[in-house]
Amino acid sequence: GQQVMQIPQYQHVQEGEDFTTYCNSSTTLSNIQWYKQRPGGHPVFLIQLVKSGEVKKQKRLTFQFGEAKKNSSLHITATQTTDVGTYFCAGPRGGTSYGKLTFGQGTILTVHP
Amino acid sequence: DTGVSQDPRHKITKRGQNVTFRCDPISEHNRLYWYRQTLGQGPEFLTYFQNEAQLEKSRLLSDRFSAERPKGSFSTLEIQRTEQGDSAMYLCASTGGLNTEAFFGQGTRLTVV
Repeated sequence: GQQVMQIPQYQHVQEGEDFTTYCNSSTTLSNIQWYKQRPGGHPVFLIQLVKSGEVKKQKRLTFQFGEAKKNSSLHITATQTTDVGTYFCAGPRGGTSYGKLTFGQGTILTVHP
Repeated sequence: DTGVSQDPRHKITKRGQNVTFRCDPISEHNRLYWYRQTLGQGPEFLTYFQNEAQLEKSRLLSDRFSAERPKGSFSTLEIQRTEQGDSAMYLCASTGGLNTEAFFGQGTRLTVV
């Protein structure tokens, strides 16, 4: 079945350092979504990428979708303590419902002030 | 609208007991999903409803699990004869229309002792 893998599992950074998490799918994806889960919280949608090679930015966050639509990355510039949490990528499980997702195991980001 | 709500937030039960969780999706959303999340893992898809119809069930959903959405609004997830391995966070999410963003509830944390 479809597998979505993320690396690294953990990342500890000093405030102000950059952070990147990578996501790889065993199958070609029609789209990829990214979610953030704060400690003790629930996943919150960040963005969806659809096109091959697509790059989207949200303030200090940059998301990329690979040319082959099998990999993606999230880069945070100059991390802040508010960036703490687990970042998940997720690909659709098939069909037309975007809410049926296969999640990666996530990258846990801690930011030391 | 206050988003997706789940009840209870926490449940402690003895092994062998039955438990039922409730999810109220965003009111205009016709699609509802149940996920399970264990510590250090991403959410795992369990089942999906479009209106009142249950359209897909994961292999993770054993015979002890049953989900309903009788009127196409709220949904319930019942676990019969709970086992310690059922201990997890049970998340509900909803999507609607052409919206690709999955809105998650706060989850129900189940502990089986």
